[in-house]
Amino acid sequence: EAQVTQNPRYLITVTGKKLTVTCSQNMNHEYMSWYRQDPGLGLRQIYYSMNVEVTDKGDVPEGYKVSRKEKRNFPLILESPSPNQTSLYFCASSFQGGGGSNQPQHFGDGTRLSIL
Amino acid sequence: QKEVEQNSGPLSVPEGAIASLNCTYSDRGSQSFFWYRQYSGKSPELIMSIYSNGDKEDGRFTAQLNKASQYVSLLIRDSQPSDSATYLCAVNGAGSYQLTFGKGTKLSVIP
Repeated sequence: EAQVTQNPRYLITVTGKKLTVTCSQNMNHEYMSWYRQDPGLGLRQIYYSMNVEVTDKGDVPEGYKVSRKEKRNFPLILESPSPNQTSLYFCASSFQGGGGSNQPQHFGDGTRLSIL
Repeated sequence: QKEVEQNSGPLSVPEGAIASLNCTYSDRGSQSFFWYRQYSGKSPELIMSIYSNGDKEDGRFTAQLNKASQYVSLLIRDSQPSDSATYLCAVNGAGSYQLTFGKGTKLSVIP
């Protein structure tokens, strides 16, 4: 089954404790992306990756890091989480990036992070 | 900053009616346009994509694109209570790897 898998689904943690949210896709997609969704602000892109070892900032990258060492994995790292990073996070993948491609993005089920 | 604007709603329509959802975008160079549906607590799922001016129909859904006016719309015919969800408009710029989302319109279909 084609899918994007995020872990954990839920996490409550404290300010400053480093955490990683994993994302894995089994569709051999080149493009992967992280979004956060907040009430009244919609989905905002954090980082995206066009391929292995190629990443770029989205609209709200501050406080986050990513890496793309393998095609299937795209972890999101919060080195020193703060309460303003409490949010619902989605990972997504597609065969190619946007810009003229006809490939829609497939989303994971989401990770709800609470930073106390 | 590329912007995608949607009315937040809620938009309430009776069952069986046509629901009309609208979206405007700021980047005139945008080339790809998508409508996603998101049920409460769930991830977005793609329901329509459109790339050229005009209408595109898929079952009860019709997407309409007018690049000159920089708007894209989604019509849902014979609306059902199961269509009650938040609808997200998303736009890709030319040569861009970024997908910019609107804040979504919440649709409520009243039985």
